Amino acid sequence: EAGVAQSPRYKIIEKRQSVAFWCNPISGHATLYWYQQILGQGPKLLIQFQNNGVVDDSQLPKDRFSAERLKGVDSTLKIQPAKLEDSAVYLCASSSPSGGARGDTQYFGPGTRLTVL
Amino acid sequence: AQTVTQSQPEMSVQEAETVTLSCTYDTSESNYYLFWYKQPPSRQMILVIRQEAYKQQNATENRFSVNFQKAAKSFSLKISDSQLGDTAMYFCAFMGYNNNDMRFGAGTRLTVKP
Repeated sequence: EAGVAQSPRYKIIEKRQSVAFWCNPISGHATLYWYQQILGQGPKLLIQFQNNGVVDDSQLPKDRFSAERLKGVDSTLKIQPAKLEDSAVYLCASSSPSGGARGDTQYFGPGTRLTVL
Repeated sequence: AQTVTQSQPEMSVQEAETVTLSCTYDTSESNYYLFWYKQPPSRQMILVIRQEAYKQQNATENRFSVNFQKAAKSFSLKISDSQLGDTAMYFCAFMGYNNNDMRFGAGTRLTVKP
C-alpha cells in the first residue's frame, strides 16, 4: 500500500514570495490533515479536511495561508506572502478509511521543509 | 484546551537496555486516545503505539509498551531491548474522543548508543 506522498521535499524562498505544497493521501482515506512543525517543536494542526470539506481550520493563519482539497483526494497548501517565521516542515497526514471513525491512526507523509530567507 | 507535556528533551540508552519516556497531559474529557509517534532523522512520522483511554489494559507492541495512569494523566513509553534503529524523536500525542484533532508534545530525542 502506497503511503502519503508530498512534494516538494525541500523549498527555499525569499520572504514575501508565495509557495505551494502538494499532498496525495493514502488511497481511500477520507480525512486529510496539514501540520506545521517548527524546529524543536511537535507538529501543530493547521487544517483538517473530511473528504473535500473543511472540518477544522481554527489554527490556520488565514491572512496568508490557504488550503484546498479538490475532489476529496489531493490537497494543496499555499502561503502568500511568506514570512520568516513560516520556516518549518509542513507535514501532511491522512486517516479514516471508514470515513470518520473515532481515534483513527494518522499516517504521515515525509514532509516539505520550507526555508524562508 | 488539551496540552501534552514531555519533560525530557533528550535521553540516551545503551543498546539492549530498557528506557522509559515520560508524557503527561491535561484534559477534562473522560474518553480519549493517546499515541506515541517516532520520527527518525528522515522525518517521516511513524506510529509506535496507541492507547484508548477507556481500556484499562496497557497497550503493547513487541518491544514497546506503555504505562497508562489515567488518574495521574500519565502515559509513558517503555522501550525494551533498545536497538540502534530506535534512535529518533519520540512524540506523545492526545486526541479527543469526539474529534480527530491531535495535540503533540514537544518531543524527546532518544539516542541509542552501541
